[in-house]
Amino acid sequence: DTAVSQTPKYLVTQMGNDKSIKCEQNLGHDTMYWYKQDSKKFLKIMFSYNNKELIINETVPNRFSPKSPDKAHLNLHINSLELGDSAVYFCASSQDPQGRSQYFGAGTRLSVL
Amino acid sequence: GQSLEQPSEVTAVEGAIVQINCTYQTSGFYGLSWYQQHDGGAPTFLSYNALDGLEETGRFSSFLSRSDSYGYLLLQELQMKDSASYFCAVRDGSNYQLIWGAGTKLIIKP
Repeated sequence: DTAVSQTPKYLVTQMGNDKSIKCEQNLGHDTMYWYKQDSKKFLKIMFSYNNKELIINETVPNRFSPKSPDKAHLNLHINSLELGDSAVYFCASSQDPQGRSQYFGAGTRLSVL
Repeated sequence: GQSLEQPSEVTAVEGAIVQINCTYQTSGFYGLSWYQQHDGGAPTFLSYNALDGLEETGRFSSFLSRSDSYGYLLLQELQMKDSASYFCAVRDGSNYQLIWGAGTKLIIKP
């Protein structure tokens, strides 16, 4: 069983569209994250979320919003997609809020045309 | 400001030992983590140091010196499959999120 799974693996869409990426973890972890990795491989945290608190990286545009229907899921919704949103998006989870060891999904490669 | 510095690229020979350094400047410190990422893959957790000293896990070891704001990842008996990017990450003291280095691409030659 895949510990952290995210779908879709690839997403190609037009500018201005709205899209969602789903993430599920079956590890029983309390904290989940979304990361963006650009073409230069730089990993940038976008959100971290547990059942108590959502921490938002203030540099993330408000077009990006996390949605968590339950502890095992943290989906990423993106409104009005822009060319600069093209990147690989990783979901991750950790047992502790400190995130000392995080488990990553396989990534979603988003291409905005 | 808050930053992590690590070399962008390191080259080594199969069977050798290589050290990847990481220096950090953060508002607080709650531990240094190391992750490995193969091309096209996801980051995978390697090690975590909260206290000074060396932690060993098989061929990989990680070292931390909090007084020097410095750590390193040591890879021994290098294998071709170790070719990957290696990231150090430090927990930020203000909002408890991980701050990531830009990654070190390890190239291994036969």
